[in-house]
Amino acid sequence: GQNIDQPTEMTATEGAIVQINCTYQTSGFNGLFWYQQHAGEAPTFLSYNVLDGLEEKGRFSSFLSRSKGYSYLLLKELQMKDSASYLCAVSHEAGTALIFGKGTTLSVSS
Amino acid sequence: DTGVSQDPRHKITKRGQNVTFRCDPISEHNRLYWYRQTLGQGPEFLTYFQNEAQLEKSRLLSDRFSAERPKGSFSTLEIQRTEQGDSAMYLCASSLETGSLPYFGAGTRLSVL
Repeated sequence: GQNIDQPTEMTATEGAIVQINCTYQTSGFNGLFWYQQHAGEAPTFLSYNVLDGLEEKGRFSSFLSRSKGYSYLLLKELQMKDSASYLCAVSHEAGTALIFGKGTTLSVSS
Repeated sequence: DTGVSQDPRHKITKRGQNVTFRCDPISEHNRLYWYRQTLGQGPEFLTYFQNEAQLEKSRLLSDRFSAERPKGSFSTLEIQRTEQGDSAMYLCASSLETGSLPYFGAGTRLSVL
């Protein structure tokens, strides 16, 4: 079966760094996506990893280890607007729908 | 606006009624996906289309659900004889080609009373 695990909730303060972990067990692997979703809004794309290593994009970075079935999203210099749900999703086969984790709700406080 | 659009944004209905949602994908995107999302959960895959062909349906898609994409552009999702358990956000996404990034619409929030 397909399984994606990520923590349910995390809290952090403004200016801090937070790491959101994601582990996956899927029948195949064709890439891992991270999305941000504010309450009542559409998920918006943050990052995509298909090869092992770190992808950096401004304040956000994402890491992938295919051998360990593991990824993390790193958010630096946290801002209040970063309070949202962060969704880890795996493409298990080219062209098929993404499989999502349950999401991690991040609360950033001042 | 050239993003994925969904209509309506909110729908309140009584149990047993039929409802239909519409999704307009990004122009020229040939793949279109429907997901369902309940509070505190990630999106769950329902079905997807390549042009007008429905290629895969999740076991979550009961006989009361039907989706169409007749001309390979917009898609509709119909739920017949709605149940309270159908209350959720229904998300549509589209992508240009195999394996490319799916873009999501803002969703239709369904409340079944």
